[in-house]
Amino acid sequence: QKEVEQDPGPLSVPEGAIVSLNCTYSNSAFQYFMWYRQYSRKGPELLMYTYSSGNKEDGRFTAQVDKSSKYISLFIRDSQPSDSATYLCAMSAGDDKIIFGKGTRLHILP
Amino acid sequence: DAGVIQSPRHEVTEMGQEVTLRCKPISGHDYLFWYRQTMMRGLELLIYFNNNVPIDDSGMPEDRFSAKMPNASFSTLKIQPSEPRDSAVYFCASSLRLAGGSEQFFGPGTRLTVL
Repeated sequence: QKEVEQDPGPLSVPEGAIVSLNCTYSNSAFQYFMWYRQYSRKGPELLMYTYSSGNKEDGRFTAQVDKSSKYISLFIRDSQPSDSATYLCAMSAGDDKIIFGKGTRLHILP
Repeated sequence: DAGVIQSPRHEVTEMGQEVTLRCKPISGHDYLFWYRQTMMRGLELLIYFNNNVPIDDSGMPEDRFSAKMPNASFSTLKIQPSEPRDSAVYFCASSLRLAGGSEQFFGPGTRLTVL
């Protein structure tokens, strides 16, 4: 079993819809949870950062962490065509390197 | 700061040739990472450096791959000899710290094609 599992998609949704992206993980030592966004032919960029369990909201984006289920989610409200990108979940145990998921390709249809 | 700089942006070479990828991290960042990204395997960490010293090279696929960081502002990833299965996008990233999931800043990547 890989440390971090993420459905590669692609996921296509109409503009304005709510998008849900998810990852599962196996290492209970993970404490720091991140979402990186990668536009086509660009490097990944940090989008959201969460420590331990709970929710974090930033504009149209909400990150959720459920450590009991080893499950993290990213929600995008009122999705826009400019949100079309690959979203990579990432996590770290604290003093160790970041482990990335494979990424989910998201297409927002105008 | 200009961000992480990588060169070349694209490289097309023939099997058996030596390939050298270059990276200039963000000034002041103590950590430098080399990643490889493919559709099949996603983003894989190859090696990372702390203060120019290689710390973890467990992701380097085989002896054909080598990486150096002669100073704080320059690193290279070399593949010799190159093979078609090395075709991928290679990213360099840098960060201030390792702990706490410190944000990594990625370069634009080098798209390598080995024929």
